Amino acid sequence: NAGVMQNPRHLVRRRGQEARLRCSPMKGHSHVYWYRQLPEEGLKFMVYLQKENIIDESGMPKERFSAEFPKEGPSILRIQQVVRGDSAAYFCASSPVEGPYTGELFFGEGSRLTVL
Amino acid sequence: GDSVTQMEGPVTLSEEAFLTINCTYTATGYPSLFWYVQYPGEGLQLLLKATKADDKGSNKGFEATYRKETTSFHLEKGSVQVSDSAVYFCALRPNRDDKIIFGKGTRLHILP
Repeated sequence: NAGVMQNPRHLVRRRGQEARLRCSPMKGHSHVYWYRQLPEEGLKFMVYLQKENIIDESGMPKERFSAEFPKEGPSILRIQQVVRGDSAAYFCASSPVEGPYTGELFFGEGSRLTVL
Repeated sequence: GDSVTQMEGPVTLSEEAFLTINCTYTATGYPSLFWYVQYPGEGLQLLLKATKADDKGSNKGFEATYRKETTSFHLEKGSVQVSDSAVYFCALRPNRDDKIIFGKGTRLHILP
């Protein structure tokens, strides 16, 4: 049973370009979470999605950032017009239906974005 | 708002030493508490959890007790191994349906 798959593992973008990060949850998981880890800081919650539905996006910056989890295919975190401050590790986690209640999230290995 | 504060690292210990990583929390209601571990180059994994006051979570020789009176959930292990070297994150879930809030993480180095 494959774990949470994130790609790309490393992404380099120049200021002003777009970054797209993908996350395929574990088989059978219907909940996806995105977290951002800045250097020397902890994990900051960004967004919580179910299929075709954003449940909680309270951690998402109001501009340039968006996320989706379509009926088919992976979840996508999209950052438009990237700036140097967007450089970070972006972690995706998934959980089964009961995940929000048990608290167990299954994390991917992260996507490391570097903005030049 | 709800938050988690854990001791800053890095923490460096010799093999077989006793480990404590402090964690305190601020939350309304009755949160569930967790410790996650991140080994080099990997994603986070749930290490242990406790869902109510006085519960003790344990796994792989690690333990943590949910202390509501001191709002703490300190991680302990009696005898650490080199393979325990990792980053440890304390976390809480404030109530049902809420996201999980993580601390900044504590990097642990175990010397042979």
